[in-house]
Order: sequence, then structure tokens, then C-alpha cells
Amino acid sequence: AQSVSQHNHHVILSEAASLELGCNYSYGGTVNLFWYVQYPGQHLQLLLKYFSGDPLVKGIKGFEAEFIKSKFSFNLRKPSVQWSDTAEYFCAVRGNNRLAFGKGNQVVVIP
Amino acid sequence: EAQVTQNPRYLITVTGKKLTVTCSQNMNHEYMSWYRQDPGLGLRQIYYSMNVEVTDKGDVPEGYKVSRKEKRNFPLILESPSPNQTSLYFCASSRDRLGETQYFGPGTRLLVL
Repeated sequence: AQSVSQHNHHVILSEAASLELGCNYSYGGTVNLFWYVQYPGQHLQLLLKYFSGDPLVKGIKGFEAEFIKSKFSFNLRKPSVQWSDTAEYFCAVRGNNRLAFGKGNQVVVIP
Repeated sequence: EAQVTQNPRYLITVTGKKLTVTCSQNMNHEYMSWYRQDPGLGLRQIYYSMNVEVTDKGDVPEGYKVSRKEKRNFPLILESPSPNQTSLYFCASSRDRLGETQYFGPGTRLLVL
């Protein structure tokens, strides 16, 4: 079964700073990759996804992620965060019939 | 409006009292699943279903049951809840199992005393 690792569980940064969240996975077969965001008190929403093609994926709200197959990574980036980006971010990997989530990154953006 | 609904949204119960959390989707999706979310552990899959009458265990199935008698509904059953099942539960659905985006319900917060 696949597994997902997210680093730096808690991230605190100021508005306008750049954000990068790491995601590494382990799975030998073909994968689909996702980043989900969970705003306080809300359910998970899809930020972006990678199935195939261009490894640089652009999502909503200015987020992007890059799939590097050789590193089994799918890191999330945003050049300039806003206070409204305060949320928990989850990387997820789908292989076979299963979707495995990382433990999440709690991101707090200080105005 | 396309959506996944769960009921109840909040539930407090006592150890051993059977409960069911309902999940329904109106998108004619084949694939449905249940997750629990715990602090520091992220989301873990409990059970999933690839179609009517087809269900399988996820990563943490112990203490849970599911059924899929109709395409739109996928209830989660706790026959004898225990305090370690206190958690936030999410139901999700997707068109099929082949990587299609999952749509999540609003969550059910369960407290077992």
C-alpha cells in the first residue's frame, strides 16, 4: 500500500512570504497526486491534482505543485501567501483503489 | 447542486450504543469511502466501496461496518462504539476508482463517552 510523508507539520509565516510544503510518497505503480486544503471548520477541498502530462500543475488560489517522479515528490508552492491561506493542507496519493493521505501541514499566516 | 451530505453533523454517545452515520451523494458516483481525521494523523481510510454491494477494508476498519445497498448511500455503522472512535468522520465520493477527484462531505464530529 502507498504511504505519504509531509514535513514540517506546523508552519507559521507572514503575509506575502512564500510557502512551500513538501510531500513524498512511496508506491511502486502509477499514482495520481492531490493536494487538499481544509479551512478552519470546513471540509476538505481540492487545491490541485496531477494525473499525467506537464509535471507542473497549477491549482486554485495561486497554488502550484511540481511532480518529480525521480524523487517521489509532489511539493506545493505559493509565491505570496495571504491571511486567508491559513488552513491545513493535505497531500494525497491514489494507487490502485486506495487514497492515502499525509498527516497534514497546519499553516498559519500572520497578517 | 452536486454534493455529499452526512448526518448527523455532531453526535455524542456512550460506549456500546450502536450508531449509524449516513452518507449520501447526488452525483451518481460509483466510488465512495469513509475516512476518520485525528490530530497529527491526517485522514485514514476506514472502508471504501467501488459500487453497489462491493465494499472493502481501508487502513483502519476495526470497529466499523458499512453497507452499499444503493448507489447513492454509504452508511457507516459502529456496532459498539468505544472512546477511541471519537473522531471527525468524512464521507467522500468520486466517479470511479481511477483517480477521479473525490468530493468530501461536511464531516461528522463524534464523541464517545
